[in-house]
Amino acid sequence: GAGVSQSPRYKVAKRGQDVALRCDPISGHVSLFWYQQALGQGPEFLTYFQNEAQLDKSGLPSDRFFAERPEGSVSTLKIQRTQQEDSAVYLCASSPYRVGTYEQYFGPGTRLTVT
Amino acid sequence: SQQGEEDPQALSIQEGENATMNCSYKTSINNLQWYRQNSGRGLVHLILIRSNEREKHSGRLRVTLDTSKKSSSLLITASRAADTASYFCATPHRYQLTFGKGTKLSVIP
Repeated sequence: GAGVSQSPRYKVAKRGQDVALRCDPISGHVSLFWYQQALGQGPEFLTYFQNEAQLDKSGLPSDRFFAERPEGSVSTLKIQRTQQEDSAVYLCASSPYRVGTYEQYFGPGTRLTVT
Repeated sequence: SQQGEEDPQALSIQEGENATMNCSYKTSINNLQWYRQNSGRGLVHLILIRSNEREKHSGRLRVTLDTSKKSSSLLITASRAADTASYFCATPHRYQLTFGKGTKLSVIP
């Protein structure tokens, strides 16, 4: 079946612009996660949704970052007033489990470059 | 913050050789997972080993876990060029996976 998809795959933004990154999880997956991966590093957790409820947003680096999943399926990660340090790959993952304990299925990521 | 640390950071081997990479972590865990990341297929789950297991096999992969030393190893036997990728260990904490920095494996044909 279809895996996790993300769009756009690449995004170039000028410093100060707002961006919106989309994630389509695997159909029926309860849990959805966002991670940020800097060059040469492992992914770092940003936020977690169980259906439409955002249960953990402890990894969001600042109040410029906002995520939503209004109907419990598609999710959007929004970054306002982008800064150069926001340049990274943003990964979305989904899981059929109600916790983050077990395997997660990752999308291909969105590479954000802030110039 | 990253909980796991993989060792070595980079590894280059000839096709057909075995590759071993290690992971250390800091806090108690329910399980430990290994993922592979390459440009073609993104981040893919390879294997999960539970805290009460010491060894697990899946095809050419062998994973060990030593909870007393807070460490795990991933062995890839008879490596292929297609195994070229970065390998990450990950440990679950509440709602998230915490990843290490990864081992970059290059398999030379």
